[in-house]
Amino acid sequence: EAGVVQSPRYKIIEKKQPVAFWCNPISGHNTLYWYRQNLGQGPELLIRYENEEAVDDSQLPKDRFSAERLKGVDSTLKIQPAELGDSAVYLCASSLVGGGRGDTQYFGPGTRLTVL
Amino acid sequence: AQTVTQSQPEMSVQEAETVTLSCTYDTSENNYYLFWYKQPPSRQMILVIRQEAYKQQNATENRFSVNFQKAAKSFSLKISDSQLGDTAMYFCAFMKSGNTPLVFGKGTRLSVIA
Repeated sequence: EAGVVQSPRYKIIEKKQPVAFWCNPISGHNTLYWYRQNLGQGPELLIRYENEEAVDDSQLPKDRFSAERLKGVDSTLKIQPAELGDSAVYLCASSLVGGGRGDTQYFGPGTRLTVL
Repeated sequence: AQTVTQSQPEMSVQEAETVTLSCTYDTSENNYYLFWYKQPPSRQMILVIRQEAYKQQNATENRFSVNFQKAAKSFSLKISDSQLGDTAMYFCAFMKSGNTPLVFGKGTRLSVIA
């Protein structure tokens, strides 16, 4: 079974530029999460999707961040414009509601964003 | 709100020895899940072990086991027969119920020394 796929793995941009991250969850997983991990910290939730609906986006800085999950499968997280403080690792995770593993979340390899 | 505390920023252990990583959490929930994830330099967050709060028996996965003390809100990870490949950041995480976000601690950096 293929795991969570993310791209790109690395991204370096100038501040004020836009950037987008892509995530393909594990097949059949209906819940998708975007987390941000700052250096030396644990990940923190940005947004959670159940199918195509964003059900928890309270931590998403909506003035510059946006996300979508078309057809309840792939998801894209966008930042426009990027700021220096957005430098972090962006992790995508997916889980299956009612799955036998207690809705365990499985993570992708992450995208390391550097804003110069 | 739930919080997770890992009081050991860094630890080291000799190869083949046993090491225990500490984790405490704060919650008013009665039913919840606890996890240990491993994050090597590749950044992939890998599930090590999980524990359901309603289960009294401590979870085990090969060389990895937990000591879950619900009343004390403690959830430590024991790694037996440590291997060089165990070198990584280890994160303790809390989940209130299925399909809710994970709340992570700040992590413990474990180095296994040959």
